[in-house]
Amino acid sequence: LAKTTQPISMDSYEGQEVNITCSHNNIATNDYITWYQQFPSQGPRFIIQGYKTKVTNEVASLFIPADRKSSTLSLPRVSLSDTAVYYCLVGDIAYSGGGADGLTFGKGTHLIIQP
Amino acid sequence: DTAVSQTPKYLVTQMGNDKSIKCEQNLGHDTMYWYKQDSKKFLKIMFSYNNKELIINETVPNRFSPKSPDKAHLNLHINSLELGDSAVYFCASSPKSDRRKETYEQYFGPGTRLTVT
Repeated sequence: LAKTTQPISMDSYEGQEVNITCSHNNIATNDYITWYQQFPSQGPRFIIQGYKTKVTNEVASLFIPADRKSSTLSLPRVSLSDTAVYYCLVGDIAYSGGGADGLTFGKGTHLIIQP
Repeated sequence: DTAVSQTPKYLVTQMGNDKSIKCEQNLGHDTMYWYKQDSKKFLKIMFSYNNKELIINETVPNRFSPKSPDKAHLNLHINSLELGDSAVYFCASSPKSDRRKETYEQYFGPGTRLTVT
C-alpha cells in the first residue's frame, strides 16, 4: 500500500514559484513528512522536513494543512538547475519503532524547468 | 571531504559471480542504509544498520548480505549475481534518531551502478 501520491511530472519556467503536492491520506500521528531531491546519476539530497503548519529553510518551504493528509513543497524562483526528481516520504523518524515507512521513496515527481 | 563514499562507482560482471560494494561515512552517524534504484528509477530500501546492528531487512533475497565491521562502514556482498540485480545501489547514513529533534536527514553516497551480463 503506497503511503504517498505525487504527480509523475511537472513543467515550469525559470523565475517561477513551483509547488509540488504530495497526498498521504493514511498519515499516522507520529509520522513526519520529508522531501528529497535527486539529480541524474546522484544520490537523493535532503531538502526539508516538517510535522505540521509551515516550515521554511534557505532552499524551500513546506506547507502542511491541519489534517496533515497532504503537503506542498514550494520552490521559490526556480532555475534550470532545479530540474530534478522530487520525492515525498512519510514516516516515523524515531528509529526504535519506525520501521521502513519513513524510508520508502515513491516514484517521485520529475520537475522540468525551461528557460 | 566526501561524507558518504562508495566503491566501486561502476561494476560490470557476469551472472553467477560474487561481488561486493563498499560504503564508508565520515559523518559520525550511527545509522547506515542500502537502497536499490532500478531502471524505472524506483528507489527501494534494502537494509538498515544502527550501530552495527541490523534493524531493517526489506524482503531482500538472502544472496544479499550486508556487513558492518564498524558503524562507519556498511558493505554489501552479493552472491550468485542475476540479471535482475542490475541497478544503481545507494548507500546512505543518518544521525541517531531522537524524538526531541525534528531533523532526520539521510546523506546519500554517489551510487554504484551494477551491470550483470
